[in-house]
Amino acid sequence: DADVTQTPRNRITKTGKRIMLECSQTKGHDRMYWYRQDPGLGLRLIYYSFDVKDINKGEISDGYSVSRQAQAKFSLSLESAIPNQTALYFCATSDPQGSGTDTQYFGPGTRLTVL
Amino acid sequence: AQSVTQLDSHVSVSEGTPVLLRCNYSSSYSPSLFWYVQHPNKGLQLLLKYTSAATLVKGINGFEAEFKKSETSFHLTKPSAHMSDAAEYFCVVSLYNFNKFYFGSGTKLNVKP
Repeated sequence: DADVTQTPRNRITKTGKRIMLECSQTKGHDRMYWYRQDPGLGLRLIYYSFDVKDINKGEISDGYSVSRQAQAKFSLSLESAIPNQTALYFCATSDPQGSGTDTQYFGPGTRLTVL
Repeated sequence: AQSVTQLDSHVSVSEGTPVLLRCNYSSSYSPSLFWYVQHPNKGLQLLLKYTSAATLVKGINGFEAEFKKSETSFHLTKPSAHMSDAAEYFCVVSLYNFNKFYFGSGTKLNVKP
């Protein structure tokens, strides 16, 4: 079974709708992240959470919100979807190590289309 | 400020020839550096990471990268390309204590038969 899962894998919605993307992990990591990927721009950080009580904005948080329901679950919401939020969304986890090296592990992605 | 620059958006090689994907970073602190690969319609998979130990890092599938502090580079290489290497590759920098990851814009590798 995959360590980091995302649901749904694909979603088409209309402008103005509220959408929730879910992420679950079985790696036991405290840190979780949401990114969006757009062609030619790499991955950009939307929100990140270092534990259940710690949530931080990334570089492109406007129009998004998150909820960390448990160590294993981190959800991303689009309160009122707009077409320029059409993108591929990735969830990731990481676990800091003594060396200071912090490797991320990614889910398979959710392809969201906003019409 | 921290940033990552992947110098080529597309690289095309013939099967069996060497691969070079270039990455330069800027960082005010000692970075950790990573290369990830993304195959079509797949998530990102870690290829290798630099942990401030050996400057030459070996990864999976025959890839390796060399950390050169003087050149602020972390280029990815492979001696002989295989068709299955066709994918998009991302260079990533992470800062200890800052706990964030900065992604390059990606390099798409095409491997010709």
